[in-house]
Amino acid sequence: GENVEQHPSTLSVQEGDSAVIKCTYSDSASNYFPWYKQELGKRPQLIIDIRSNVGEKKDQRIAVTLNKTAKHFSLHITETQPEDSAVYFCAASSPNDYKLSFGAGTTVTVRA
Amino acid sequence: DGGITQSPKYLFRKEGQNVTLSCEQNLNHDAMYWYRQDPGQGLRLIYYSQIVNDFQKGDIAEGYSVSREKKESFPLTVTSAQKNPTAFYLCASSIGGTAYEQYFGPGTRLTVT
Repeated sequence: GENVEQHPSTLSVQEGDSAVIKCTYSDSASNYFPWYKQELGKRPQLIIDIRSNVGEKKDQRIAVTLNKTAKHFSLHITETQPEDSAVYFCAASSPNDYKLSFGAGTTVTVRA
Repeated sequence: DGGITQSPKYLFRKEGQNVTLSCEQNLNHDAMYWYRQDPGQGLRLIYYSQIVNDFQKGDIAEGYSVSREKKESFPLTVTSAQKNPTAFYLCASSIGGTAYEQYFGPGTRLTVT
């Protein structure tokens, strides 16, 4: 089955700086890569996703890049703000597997 | 986020008792999922269902059971066979029976003593 590894496990950034989280996956057939944000005690929320037919996708201050050859994808948050502090999870899914495999999560802390 | 409800938000049970967690959605989604989250941990898949009257085991199905009699509902029973049932349980759903765009419910925090 799919195995997703996520790094780093914790990330502390100064407000206004950028944050980057990287995930690698094992199944070359995987074609869907979502990112979720989870605030303390709350549900995970889908913030952005990318499919394997594109290399990059942006939505305001967040972007995701995908490198299919290297089997890794990354989340980029620019101009970080205190409300960006949360746990972020990456995930992957292949066409023949009707479920998501999640990374272990990255705790992002934005210092004011 | 709206459209997926879980009840109750907090649940307390004595060891040895079975307990059923509710998950309802009105999004007309075909697929539904149950995850378990332990403190500081990621999401682990318990069971999932792509269509009514069909479901599959996830990575940690032992000690759990589910049913999918209606499209809108996917209840999870935590049985007494589950060795460490205390956790945060999250239900999710997605359209078309695929894993694409899964949306989560608010979760149920189960404490077993």
